[in-house]
Amino acid sequence: EIVMTQSPATLSVSPGERATLSCRASQSVSSNLAWYQQKPGQAPRLLIYGASTRATGIPARFSGSGSGTDFTLTISSLQSEDFAVYYCQQYNNWPPWTFGQGTKVEIK
Amino acid sequence: EVQLVESGGGLVQPGGSLRLSCAASGFTFSSYWIHWVRQAPGEGLLWVSHVNRDGSSTTYADSVKGRFTISRDNAKNTLYLQMNSLRAEDTAVYYCARDGGFPRPFDYWGQGTQVTVSS
Repeated sequence: EIVMTQSPATLSVSPGERATLSCRASQSVSSNLAWYQQKPGQAPRLLIYGASTRATGIPARFSGSGSGTDFTLTISSLQSEDFAVYYCQQYNNWPPWTFGQGTKVEIK
Repeated sequence: EVQLVESGGGLVQPGGSLRLSCAASGFTFSSYWIHWVRQAPGEGLLWVSHVNRDGSSTTYADSVKGRFTISRDNAKNTLYLQMNSLRAEDTAVYYCARDGGFPRPFDYWGQGTQVTVSS
């Protein structure tokens, strides 16, 4: 099973600032890495797939990068609606499909 | 519009059973794999199970193998999760999620249904 590790657990950022979230896989997942956003009481929403491709309707301020074992999600200028929990997920080796433990982006 | 609507959650005693449903609309249900993912209170996301397009192939997380059964009825556009021998640690919100097909993973999710296992 591939273990996904996200850092930091919590990121405190001021509106308008840049946020950088990290995700590391225990072995290579190529570019088969997705990012999801989850707000309280809501289902997760797909943001990024293929490590760097934005899903339909996702604003350009969200960008993903990386391949192999190290990945980054960058939110270029945080808006109020971006404060949420973000999960990475690998879909290179399955089952199981595995998620990171999440990074909470909170208002500083 | 793609929609996934879960139902069937509730309070059940340890050792009991529950069947969850996920009603799909807005897309050709039989063309997609579908997954169940759960989220325990205050915790992260955990993949539970998947079924292929015609229901002939299924996979499970080790933690539910032998206790849960996933199935689908393509004529009714509905996914199911039969949960037996429930444990306290199965308490979670259960989501169904559509697999968008490589390279898009879980592209649409339902709103979730709460399952609570407690005496």
